[in-house]
Amino acid sequence: EIVMTQSPATLSVSPGERATLSCRASQSISSSLAWYQQKPAQAPRLLIYGASARATGIPARFSGSGSGTEFTLTISSLQSEDFAVYYCQQYNDWPLLTFGGGTKVEIK
Amino acid sequence: EVQLVESGGTLVQPGGSLRLSCAASGFTFSFYWMTWVRQAPGKGLEWVANIKQDGSEKYFVDSVKGRFTVSRDSAKNSLYLQMNSLRAEDTAVYYCARSVPDYDVLTASYNYFMDVWGRGTTVTVAS
Repeated sequence: EIVMTQSPATLSVSPGERATLSCRASQSISSSLAWYQQKPAQAPRLLIYGASARATGIPARFSGSGSGTEFTLTISSLQSEDFAVYYCQQYNDWPLLTFGGGTKVEIK
Repeated sequence: EVQLVESGGTLVQPGGSLRLSCAASGFTFSFYWMTWVRQAPGKGLEWVANIKQDGSEKYFVDSVKGRFTVSRDSAKNSLYLQMNSLRAEDTAVYYCARSVPDYDVLTASYNYFMDVWGRGTTVTVAS
């Protein structure tokens, strides 16, 4: 099983600042990585797939990078609606899928 | 509008059974792999099961193998999760999601990620 590890668990950021979230895979997953945003009592929403491709309707302030085992989600200038939990997920081992434990982005 | 709506979640006793449904609309259901993901209270996301377009391939996380089955009915545009021998640790919000292909140039193969999710249905296993 590919283990996905996210850091930090919680990130405190002021509105307008940059947020950088990390995700590490226990083995190479090429670029088969997705990022999801989840707000309280809501379903996850796809942000990024293929490690760096933005999903439809996702603002340009969200960007993804990385390949192999190290990945990053960057939110360039945090807006109030961006405070949420973010999950990375590998699909290189499809049909077996694994998620990271999540990073909570909170208001500083 | 592409939409997935789950239903069937409720309170059930340990050892009991439950069938969840997911109604799909706004897209050609029969064209897509479909996926179930769950989230225990206060916890992260956990993949549960996948089913191929024609139902010929099904995959499960180890913790539910032999207890859960997944099926689909293209005539009804519906996905199902049959859960048997339920345990307290199966308590979670269950989401259905559509899976779409992503071509990996390095391996020259298709892998799939979830692009649309339902709002979820809550299953509580308790006596």
